[in-house]
Amino acid sequence: DSGVTQTPKHLITATGQRVTLRCSPRSGDLSVYWYQQSLDQGLQFLIQYYNGEERAKGNILERFSAQQFPDLHSELNLSSLELGDSALYFCASSVGGGSQETQYFGPGTRLLVL
Amino acid sequence: AQTVTQSQPEMSVQEAETVTLSCTYDTSESDYYLFWYKQPPSRQMILVIRQEAYKQQNATENRFSVNFQKAAKSFSLKISDSQLGDAAMYFCAYRVLNSGYALNFGKGTSLLVTP
Repeated sequence: DSGVTQTPKHLITATGQRVTLRCSPRSGDLSVYWYQQSLDQGLQFLIQYYNGEERAKGNILERFSAQQFPDLHSELNLSSLELGDSALYFCASSVGGGSQETQYFGPGTRLLVL
Repeated sequence: AQTVTQSQPEMSVQEAETVTLSCTYDTSESDYYLFWYKQPPSRQMILVIRQEAYKQQNATENRFSVNFQKAAKSFSLKISDSQLGDAAMYFCAYRVLNSGYALNFGKGTSLLVTP
């Protein structure tokens, strides 16, 4: 158990809908990262937050957004969902977000868009 | 662009034997970090081992060790005394020091362990 929690574990929804994925980092970790794992794209970095502020952006679509709250949990919002958004979404956390730090991954949220 | 290549989509090893998973990466940076993550059927991403590029000594964690060849940009993972629980997808990942914070992952190698 990495100490990173993600809810829900599974999510099934329809095209055009909006969903919110939630992540709670390890105790004491200030930085949260979101990754998407799909069959065709592999593991891709989406976005990073540090202590409530956006720090880095990767291949995140404009239909997707995220935020980190004062209690340091983070939410990833996916809107206007398409079939191709079906994937496993991971949240990871690290203490300060420095590039020398190890990122610890949560169990993931499996999203299926029908 | 920084790329990580795992040229072996699948590997197989017998229990108690040794197997080596390959990884190469492409970068012009001199300071970076390399990682191996394991993803078992549960889909959890578990850190196996990490290597700092400035360290010449290869990292070791129990039965897991790496062969880091900086000039060749190669970072292979050796698993000794393989166990059934080692069966998983293994991902090599790379991260540049002080230049971005994302992990760049390879496509993964699926390891099968046979009794």
